[in-house]
Amino acid sequence: QSALTQPASVSGSPGQSITISCTGTSSDVGGYNHVSWYQQHPGKAPKLLIYDVSNRPSGVSYRFSGSKSGNTASLTISGLQAEDEADYYCNSYTSSITGVFGGGTKLTVL
Amino acid sequence: EVQLLESGGGLVQPGGSLRLSCAASGFTFSNYAMNWVRQAPGKGLEWVSGISGSGRDTYSPDSVKGRFTISRDNSKNTLYLEMNSLRAEDTAVYYCARPTVTTYITAFDFWGQGTMVTVSS
Repeated sequence: QSALTQPASVSGSPGQSITISCTGTSSDVGGYNHVSWYQQHPGKAPKLLIYDVSNRPSGVSYRFSGSKSGNTASLTISGLQAEDEADYYCNSYTSSITGVFGGGTKLTVL
Repeated sequence: EVQLLESGGGLVQPGGSLRLSCAASGFTFSNYAMNWVRQAPGKGLEWVSGISGSGRDTYSPDSVKGRFTISRDNSKNTLYLEMNSLRAEDTAVYYCARPTVTTYITAFDFWGQGTMVTVSS
């Protein structure tokens, strides 16, 4: 099972919006609505931001939103803040009854 | 409060074995599928294994199939990962993770603090 494809890095200024893409295949992202997104700060465990493509767990800021089109899922962060600087990972259920993560995207807030 | 506490990590030689444990509390353990996720130093996340709430069904990627075995003891609220034939590339922090929906093997809303496994001679 190959990792999902994410851009290695993205950047944005405070207050701006950015989008991180996550590309898979019809056997994972495109075939199921079980895509989730995580934020990880250095030395910390990941934090769930989005599950089932666009659902936010309680306590997660409305500034984080998710969507999907075909084999590509996206995470959008609006109103960028300094504390959003972190690594972001997507994850999907697959037809092999496994889970697969993306390679991760480093977000820099300029 | 949901808590997941991993233990059992350490230094092991290539070809060796190790058993990780994850003690769970704060929720009805047997209701939830549970998972192991690892992260090699400076690298991304990798899903390692999943197990259904009853323990009857297990899931793993080809990278660990035949070498790693996930299991659970619902009477002890504990998740295990038995790792055999360890390789240098298995060096990572291993996290125990609970899904947000009971039956899922994805969408992890609670994570342990992780336990480090180092495979080296």
